[in-house]
Amino acid sequence: GDSVTQMEGPVTLSEEAFLTINCTYTATGYPSLFWYVQYPGEGLQLLLKATKADDKGSNKGFEATYRKETTSFHLEKGSVQVSDSAVYFCALANSGYSTLTFGKGTMLLVSP
Amino acid sequence: EAGVAQSPRYKIIEKRQSVAFWCNPISGHATLYWYQQILGQGPKLLIQFQNNGVVDDSQLPKDRFSAERLKGVDSTLKIQPAKLEDSAVYLCASSLEAGGPRNEQFFGPGTRLTVL
Repeated sequence: GDSVTQMEGPVTLSEEAFLTINCTYTATGYPSLFWYVQYPGEGLQLLLKATKADDKGSNKGFEATYRKETTSFHLEKGSVQVSDSAVYFCALANSGYSTLTFGKGTMLLVSP
Repeated sequence: EAGVAQSPRYKIIEKRQSVAFWCNPISGHATLYWYQQILGQGPKLLIQFQNNGVVDDSQLPKDRFSAERLKGVDSTLKIQPAKLEDSAVYLCASSLEAGGPRNEQFFGPGTRLTVL
């Protein structure tokens, strides 16, 4: 079945550091890929998405490129802020009914 | 536009008791999802509704879990009887449609269930 693997956290960075959170997937066909963010005490929010190979999703300074050859969708940000501290989930949707399969999540902690 | 509403936000019960969660999706959203998020894991789909019909309930433990979506709007998820391993956050999400470009899922804040 479909699965998503994310790097384990927590990822601890200083403000303005470069961020990479790795995500790889296993799926049949051509899934859509997503990054969701969960701030403390809040629900999941869609951060960005890509629906086909070589697409780049971007939002709020975050970017991720759909790499079919490496089955990856790594999340990057050039300069993180304290307000980026949250849990980040990589997910895929691979059916006509768009059921999401999530990774385990990666906690990001940014210190001033 | 109001988001997905869920209640209660927190619930503590003893094992073998019953519990129910309520979800009100975004107005006009045809598709509604219930997820279970165990601590340290990603959300897992329990059940998906399209209007008031069930699309996918393959991962719902039907011996103890049940869900309904009356009139294709609000939904309730029930656990009876609860087990210790049901301790988790229960997330509700909704989307305009199940597939295609209008399938973005919007999540509620979740209900945190603790079973003692």
